[in-house]
Amino acid sequence: NAGVTQTPKFQVLKTGQSMTLQCAQDMNHNSMYWYRQDPGMGLRLIYYSASEGTTDKGEVPNGYNVSRLNKREFSLRLESAAPSQTSVYFCASSEGAGGNYGYTFGSGTRLTVV
Amino acid sequence: KNQVEQSPQSLIILEGKNCTLQCNYTVSPFSNLRWYKQDTGRGPVSLTIMTFSENTKSNGRYTATLDADTKQSSLHITASQLSDSASYICVVRGTGANNLFFGTGTRLTVIP
Repeated sequence: NAGVTQTPKFQVLKTGQSMTLQCAQDMNHNSMYWYRQDPGMGLRLIYYSASEGTTDKGEVPNGYNVSRLNKREFSLRLESAAPSQTSVYFCASSEGAGGNYGYTFGSGTRLTVV
Repeated sequence: KNQVEQSPQSLIILEGKNCTLQCNYTVSPFSNLRWYKQDTGRGPVSLTIMTFSENTKSNGRYTATLDADTKQSSLHITASQLSDSASYICVVRGTGANNLFFGTGTRLTVIP
């Protein structure tokens, strides 16, 4: 009954380093999402994948890339980390991209860029 | 501009008491409204989803109401427990794929 699993849970990067955040879901959901959560702000969509093989930009895509590796996995890559990317990152999945489908969120990755 | 505003920002109540959290939105057109509970260090967990035609929905001690005419929603928590301490996030979906608008949340603390 894992749901959405994110790794790592915590990460500290130096400015300019790169890293990939991993996300996997075991609910056979079609759509997956990456959000960031910053203090005093609502969650903001970085990228999403409506279905396997497709990806689209969200509200704040700059500095990030994504890969929908297969139906289960959706990774988020920071090519050259910046302090402004210090945040908590959440992966989520849903059965479909629109309508009344509920979202299931992972536990988050807390990233600090120094 | 599509916005979701929640009040209060934070709230402290005694265990066993009731409380009501508010959500006002300007999202249009509107598809549905969701309430999520987010424990510290965890991801949000869905409590309720309401469409335009629903004006109340319950999930245990949580009852959400929706007035689509005034674009207001509330989340009422009955007989609060220490485990209710969390942030409660109101999320409004507009039309189109992935058109979710998140509020900043109300931080609820229940004290013994």
